[in-house]
Amino acid sequence: DTAVSQTPKYLVTQMGNDKSIKCEQNLGHDTMYWYKQDSKKFLKIMFSYNNKELIINETVPNRFSPKSPDKAHLNLHINSLELGDSAVYFCASSHSDRGNTEAFFGQGTRLTVV
Amino acid sequence: DAKTTQPPSMDCAEGRAANLPCNHSTISGNEYVYWYRQIHSQGPQYIIHGLKNNETNEMASLIITEDRKSSTLILPHATLRDTAVYYCIVRVGGSNYKLTFGKGTLLTVNP
Repeated sequence: DTAVSQTPKYLVTQMGNDKSIKCEQNLGHDTMYWYKQDSKKFLKIMFSYNNKELIINETVPNRFSPKSPDKAHLNLHINSLELGDSAVYFCASSHSDRGNTEAFFGQGTRLTVV
Repeated sequence: DAKTTQPPSMDCAEGRAANLPCNHSTISGNEYVYWYRQIHSQGPQYIIHGLKNNETNEMASLIITEDRKSSTLILPHATLRDTAVYYCIVRVGGSNYKLTFGKGTLLTVNP
């Protein structure tokens, strides 16, 4: 069973469109994250949610809006897509009360804006 | 979180031990050393972490110097599937699980 799953795996869309990426984890974790990996392969955190509450927001444009309907899901909605949004987006999860354990990452969603 | 320095690339022969170094000279007393790797086109994968003592699990060993200013990740018998970018990360323990990834080391395991 996949621990952290993202859909879709690939997403090609035009500038100006609105799109969503879904993430689900079946590990029972209470904290979920979104990371962005750009064309230069730098991997940076965007958001962190703990028990559906926003914990980290790393100065991401407000066109990006994470939504956590429950602890097992953290979706990423992006409005008015721009060329610079093209990247691979990774979802991850971890336990908050076990601060020194690992984070589990999904397989990524490759977003291409044309 | 403290900054880390890793060589950009390394090569290793299949079956040999791969020793990946990491400098973290500004590490604080409450910061842990974590290692993750990213195989091409996949999500990062946790390998191991430690605070002061050397650690070993089924994937690797982590050797941390006594002054904690550097560490070495050891893959005892590297295989072709271990070819990946390896990230050394230092972070404060606790629930705010923010991982700050650097450029990492591209380890290429050759047949």
